[in-house]
Amino acid sequence: GESVGLHLPTLSVQEGDNSIINCAYSNSASDYFIWYKQESGKGPQFIIDIRSNMDKRQGQRVTVLLNKTVKHLSLQIAATQPGDSAVYFCAENGNYGQNFVFGPGTRLSVLP
Amino acid sequence: SQTIHQWPATLVQPVGSPLSLECTVEGTSNPNLYWYRQAAGRGLQLLFYSVGIGQISSEVPQNLSASRPQDRQFILSSKKLLLSDSGFYLCAWSVGGTVLGYTIYFGEGSWLTVV
Repeated sequence: GESVGLHLPTLSVQEGDNSIINCAYSNSASDYFIWYKQESGKGPQFIIDIRSNMDKRQGQRVTVLLNKTVKHLSLQIAATQPGDSAVYFCAENGNYGQNFVFGPGTRLSVLP
Repeated sequence: SQTIHQWPATLVQPVGSPLSLECTVEGTSNPNLYWYRQAAGRGLQLLFYSVGIGQISSEVPQNLSASRPQDRQFILSSKKLLLSDSGFYLCAWSVGGTVLGYTIYFGEGSWLTVV
């Protein structure tokens, strides 16, 4: 079946550095992707999304890159802050009209 | 703006007792509604979704059930809880009606511990 980001790795970065969180997806028909941030004990929070007709989209301090050739999605966080510490996970909509598939995520730890 | 509320935030229930988690959405009409469960270190598992009042789709067989008595109200229930029902439950909504695939927004979650 479809799979998104099967592993839960941990990424540690120094405060002020840039962070890059990666996600691999398996369904080449996916046309919509979302990045979520989940702080401990809270519900996931929408960060940024991207459609398959784009390869880059920027938000406030965040950039999402989509490489459809290798089915790879990444989230870049500029000038990482302590408040960015959380689990980040991507989600794909395999086909329009179907429910999303979520990965387990990556834990981001920001070191002082 | 749209908001989503779910309660209770935490719940400790004995095995075999009933369960009722409630979720309401404000600021939108005819949303798609979802119940997810999240196990530690794992992805979100879709339990139920609804595209309209009284319309419930179940994704996994289990002793849980869902109901949508009103347009913006979604309830997760169980008649008899099992230890394996412990977890973090998330209600979510998206714009859509009968079409899925729009951005999903989550509530704050409910921690359920079955003892």
